[in-house]
Amino acid sequence: GQQVMQIPQYQHVQEGEDFTTYCNSSTTLSNIQWYKQRPGGHPVFLIQLVKSGEVKKQKRLTFQFGEAKKNSSLHITATQTTDVGTYFCAGREVNAGGTSYGKLTFGQGTILTVHP
Amino acid sequence: NAGVTQTPKFQVLKTGQSMTLQCAQDMNHEYMSWYRQDPGMGLRLIHYSVGAGITDQGEVPNGYNVSRSTTEDFPLRLLSAAPSQTSVYFCASKGQYTEAFFGQGTRLTVV
Repeated sequence: GQQVMQIPQYQHVQEGEDFTTYCNSSTTLSNIQWYKQRPGGHPVFLIQLVKSGEVKKQKRLTFQFGEAKKNSSLHITATQTTDVGTYFCAGREVNAGGTSYGKLTFGQGTILTVHP
Repeated sequence: NAGVTQTPKFQVLKTGQSMTLQCAQDMNHEYMSWYRQDPGMGLRLIHYSVGAGITDQGEVPNGYNVSRSTTEDFPLRLLSAAPSQTSVYFCASKGQYTEAFFGQGTRLTVV
């Protein structure tokens, strides 16, 4: 079945440093979504990428979707303590049939710690 | 608009007990899912549903049952709780072209 791998599992940075997490799928994705989970909270949607090679920005966050639609990345410039949390990517397999069109597979997440 | 409501927030069970985790959404979403979250394992899909009366297994379905009698509700049943089911459980709902909305989570401990 579809697998979504995310690296690194943990990342510790000093405030002001940059941070990147990478997401790789074993199958081609119809789209990819990114979520953030604050400590003790629930995952909250950040953004969705649909097109091959798409790049989107949200303030200090830059999201990319690979040309083959099998990988993605999230880059945070000049991290702040408010960026602390776990970042998940999630994707749905392209041409998923039957009930699988409702199935969203999450990566393991990258836990970001920011030291002030 | 409440979104996704999960109950209870916390629960302690003894091994062998049964219980139902409740999940309700008021967004008329077709898709609902249950995930468990364990340290280092991310979000693992237990069961999901694409509409009332239609459910399917995810990655880790053993020990859990679900049903979807209405669009709004998607309960998760543990028939005989085991310590390995100690985890944080999240319910999520999603429209066909929307993102997933998560409930607040249920922290379950099985002793």
